[in-house]
Amino acid sequence: DSGVTQTPKHLITATGQRVTLRCSPRSGDLSVYWYQQSLDQGLQFLIQYYNGEERAKGNILERFSAQQFPDLHSELNLSSLELGDSALYFCASSVASGRATDTQYFGPGTRLTVL
Amino acid sequence: AQTVTQSQPEMSVQEAETVTLSCTYDTSESNYYLFWYKQPPSRQMILVIRQEAYKQQNATENRFSVNFQKAAKSFSLKISDSQLGDTAMYFCAFMKLLDFGNEKLTFGTGTRLTIIP
Repeated sequence: DSGVTQTPKHLITATGQRVTLRCSPRSGDLSVYWYQQSLDQGLQFLIQYYNGEERAKGNILERFSAQQFPDLHSELNLSSLELGDSALYFCASSVASGRATDTQYFGPGTRLTVL
Repeated sequence: AQTVTQSQPEMSVQEAETVTLSCTYDTSESNYYLFWYKQPPSRQMILVIRQEAYKQQNATENRFSVNFQKAAKSFSLKISDSQLGDTAMYFCAFMKLLDFGNEKLTFGTGTRLTIIP
């Protein structure tokens, strides 16, 4: 158990809908990262938050957004869902940035299926 | 931009044998981390081992060790005395060091390892 929690584990929805994925980082970790794992794109970085502020953006679609709350949990919002958004979405957390112990620990993932 | 290449899509080995998974990367950075993550059928991403590029000594974690060749930009993972529980997808990953706000992991495409009883 990495200490990172993600809910829900599975999500099945229809095209055009909107969903929210939730992540709670390990105790003491300030950075949260979101990754998407799909069959055709592999593991792709989406976005990073550090202590409530957006720090880096990767290959995140405009239909997707995220935020990190004062208690450091994070939510990834996916809207106008398309079939191609079906994937495993991971959240990871780390202590801080630019230090020797900045290993990212991953949550169990949320499996999103868009029908 | 950094790229990570894993040239072995699939490998299999008999239980108790030793297996080496290959990874090469391309970067102009001098300070960075390299990681191996394991993804078993449960789909959980589990850290196997980490290497800091400024350290010459190869990292080891029990049965797992790496062969880090910085000049060649090579980072292979050796699994000794392989066990059935080692069956998983293995991902090599790169992260820049001391780049506040850009600590994303760049992953390779993975190697599917099967341990045969």
